[in-house]
Amino acid sequence: DTGVSQDPRHKITKRGQNVTFRCDPISEHNRLYWYRQTLGQGPEFLTYFQNEAQLEKSRLLSDRFSAERPKGSFSTLEIQRTEQGDSAMYLCASRLASGDKETQYFGPGTRLLVL
Amino acid sequence: AQKITQTQPGMFVQEKEAVTLDCTYDTSDPSYGLFWYKQPSSGEMIFLIYQGSYDQQNATEGRYSLNFQKARKSANLVISASQLGDSAMYFCAMREMPSGSRLTFGEGTQLTVNP
Repeated sequence: DTGVSQDPRHKITKRGQNVTFRCDPISEHNRLYWYRQTLGQGPEFLTYFQNEAQLEKSRLLSDRFSAERPKGSFSTLEIQRTEQGDSAMYLCASRLASGDKETQYFGPGTRLLVL
Repeated sequence: AQKITQTQPGMFVQEKEAVTLDCTYDTSDPSYGLFWYKQPSSGEMIFLIYQGSYDQQNATEGRYSLNFQKARKSANLVISASQLGDSAMYFCAMREMPSGSRLTFGEGTQLTVNP
């Protein structure tokens, strides 16, 4: 039983560069979530998908951010023209749409540092 | 207004003793779910326990139990027989129906278990 995986685990980039993160959910999970966590804070919701449809986006998700889940399996989160304020842990989670407890299971996260 | 409040930035406990981590929440939705997650220094969010708003009994999962007091809007986590490996950040989170299925997290409590 494999859990949620994320790649890369760490990313260092220069301001202005584009970065892309990947998330592979638990195989039978049809809902996939992205959260952002800054130092000393709890995770904050960014967006979520049910299958390939993006159903909700937070106001935190500026125009520089885009997320996709083209085949309803893995998802990518792209940040264009990165800024130092984008430095954070990006967490992906998945769950079944109608599963018991509706529990979201998280991946190990991608730590982004923008220099 | 904060939806999830964790008033203890840090807690210390002796190994083998029990500890309670506080969580209060704010919602007008009659249907909601409450979760506790553990986040070690590695960064992964580990699901611990879930309590549904309509559940009649307090949830228990091994050494974890949730002291759910609906009228007070509190959902405290009790860890019995603390172990050194319990040292981590602990987050309380809530899922509300009007918000879809996003989780709203508190700011967390850093638990340190002393030998």
